[in-house]
Amino acid sequence: GDSVTQMEGPVTLSEEAFLTINCTYTATGYPSLFWYVQYPGEGLQLLLKATKADDKGSNKGFEATYRKETTSFHLEKGSVQVSDSAVYFCALRENSGYSTLTFGKGTMLLVSP
Amino acid sequence: DTGVSQDPRHKITKRGQNVTFRCDPISEHNRLYWYRQTLGQGPEFLTYFQNEAQLEKSRLLSDRFSAERPKGSFSTLEIQRTEQGDSAMYLCASSPGGLMNTEAFFGQGTRLTVV
Repeated sequence: GDSVTQMEGPVTLSEEAFLTINCTYTATGYPSLFWYVQYPGEGLQLLLKATKADDKGSNKGFEATYRKETTSFHLEKGSVQVSDSAVYFCALRENSGYSTLTFGKGTMLLVSP
Repeated sequence: DTGVSQDPRHKITKRGQNVTFRCDPISEHNRLYWYRQTLGQGPEFLTYFQNEAQLEKSRLLSDRFSAERPKGSFSTLEIQRTEQGDSAMYLCASSPGGLMNTEAFFGQGTRLTVV
């Protein structure tokens, strides 16, 4: 079945540091890929997405590129802020069936001033 | 419209009791999903509705769990004879029908604690 593997956290960074959170996936078809973010006490919010190979999703300074050859969708940001502290989830959705999402376990990011 | 709404936000119950959660999706979203998230894990799919029809159920959804969406709008998730292992965050999401690449919007979840 489908699965998503994320690097374990917490990831602890100082403000303005470079961020990478690794994500790899296993899927039977050609899925769409997503990053969701969960701030403390809030629900999941879509951060960015990519629907086909070589697509780059971007939002709020975050980027991720759909790499079919390495089955990866790593999240990056050039300069993190304290307000980026949250849990980040990588997810996939097969482009057939009922559009259900398969999530990774999540990676907590802690950014200190 | 303020997004997907879930009620209650928190529920503490004794083992063996029944509990029911409610989800109000974004209006005109005909797809509705329930997920469960345990501590340190990502959300796991439970069940999916298109309008009032329950079209898919995960093997995680034991026969103690039942979900309904009677008029194709709000949905309820009931857990009968709760067990400590049912303690989790229960998330609801909705999305518009039609195109496959539409975004799913999540509610803030209902946190269940079974004591």
